[in-house]
Amino acid sequence: KAGVTQTPRYLIKTRGQQVTLSCSPISGHRSVSWYQQTPGQGLQFLFEYFSETQRNKGNFPGRFSGRQFSNSRSEMNVSTLELGDSALYLCASSLDSVPGNTIYFGEGSWLTVV
Amino acid sequence: AQSVSQHNHHVILSEAASLELGCNYSYGGTVNLFWYVQYPGQHLQLLLKYFSGDPLVKGIKGFEAEFIKSKFSFNLRKPSVQWSDTAEYFCAVNSGAGGYNKLIFGAGTRLAVHP
Repeated sequence: KAGVTQTPRYLIKTRGQQVTLSCSPISGHRSVSWYQQTPGQGLQFLFEYFSETQRNKGNFPGRFSGRQFSNSRSEMNVSTLELGDSALYLCASSLDSVPGNTIYFGEGSWLTVV
Repeated sequence: AQSVSQHNHHVILSEAASLELGCNYSYGGTVNLFWYVQYPGQHLQLLLKYFSGDPLVKGIKGFEAEFIKSKFSFNLRKPSVQWSDTAEYFCAVNSGAGGYNKLIFGAGTRLAVHP
């Protein structure tokens, strides 16, 4: 079956702009999480959505937001972009939230802010 | 708060050498532990996971890890590495308290295997 799909794969934005990234989870998966990966901070959890509700949130400013649709597809938005937002943004999906459940990652969206 | 520490940031080995990558976590409650691998240009893939039962866990591609609760450790091992194991390896933890879909990652270990 198809894996976690993220679009776009690469994008360049200017400081102050906003960006929307999209994620399609594995079919049947109801949980979608987002992570930011940078050389300096590593992999950091942004937030998790389950059945269209934000269930968990990491320690990021309010400029980072997301949502989930009824078909489990998710989007994340970053407003007022800063240079430090340049990163690989990873989407992950899982069936549910139970001990030991496997979390599958997409290939990510590379965001460069200039 | 939970945290994960990976001791080695860079490891260089020759083919057929044995591998052990260290991982320690800080959390006093019940945890689930994971090792992910990221090959160059590819997405994160799950190597293995532990959430209960036998503390010695076997994963894909000949990797295994041992959960030692008293040491808060979950070290990754492979008896004989191959050039194709060149990648970055991440240890991660989650728990019911933080949410089972919220992974806390270590900084990663870059492994380079020379032929």
